[in-house]
Amino acid sequence: AQKITQTQPGMFVQEKEAVTLDCTYDTSDPSYGLFWYKQPSSGEMIFLIYQGSYDQQNATEGRYSLNFQKARKSANLVISASQLGDSAMYFCAMSRGDNTGKLIFGQGTTLQVKP
Amino acid sequence: GAVVSQHPSWVICKSGTSVKIECRSLDFQATTMFWYRQFPKQSLMLMATSNEGSKATYEQGVEKDKFLINHASLTLSTLTVTSAHPEDSSFYICSSKPGLHLEQYFGPGTRLTVT
Repeated sequence: AQKITQTQPGMFVQEKEAVTLDCTYDTSDPSYGLFWYKQPSSGEMIFLIYQGSYDQQNATEGRYSLNFQKARKSANLVISASQLGDSAMYFCAMSRGDNTGKLIFGQGTTLQVKP
Repeated sequence: GAVVSQHPSWVICKSGTSVKIECRSLDFQATTMFWYRQFPKQSLMLMATSNEGSKATYEQGVEKDKFLINHASLTLSTLTVTSAHPEDSSFYICSSKPGLHLEQYFGPGTRLTVT
């Protein structure tokens, strides 16, 4: 069975500093996708970044980068130069390789950026 | 990116009544939509997969007679919470993945409160 684990319920970071949000996963599928979503207090889910299981390079999207370590089954999100608007809940998610499109979400990490 | 809308954004209903939530894909055709449920400060839990023109498939533990899903067109899926009870109070979010896109796009969510 697939599982996503986020072990940090809450994190604090100083504005302009970088922060790493942890995510580990477990799957027996050879093909899968890993996603990070941001959920502000408004509730909307905002897509941040995607990493495919066969991608050789770590994904990057602006200030977001995904530290993908396949052997360790980890897909940590790195946010550089944190901004006050980054304060939100962050979810790591995994899609199956069966093209069903279903996502399994981790427990989430609440990030607070301090001015 | 693709746009998914939900209506209503929030609803309060009395115990025993039914409430319908709409999920629309505004700029793409969605043969598949997903319905999630989220309790405060918790993760998203997949409830069911809505398939256009056919029956929805429900995740284990989700009562299909209580959470009726209809996907009558390529742009609209509805979730009806029948005979709602206070324990059904939650945040309901739909999502869809257009065509060859890797990421799912989420609606803004519907906050249901049953009194």
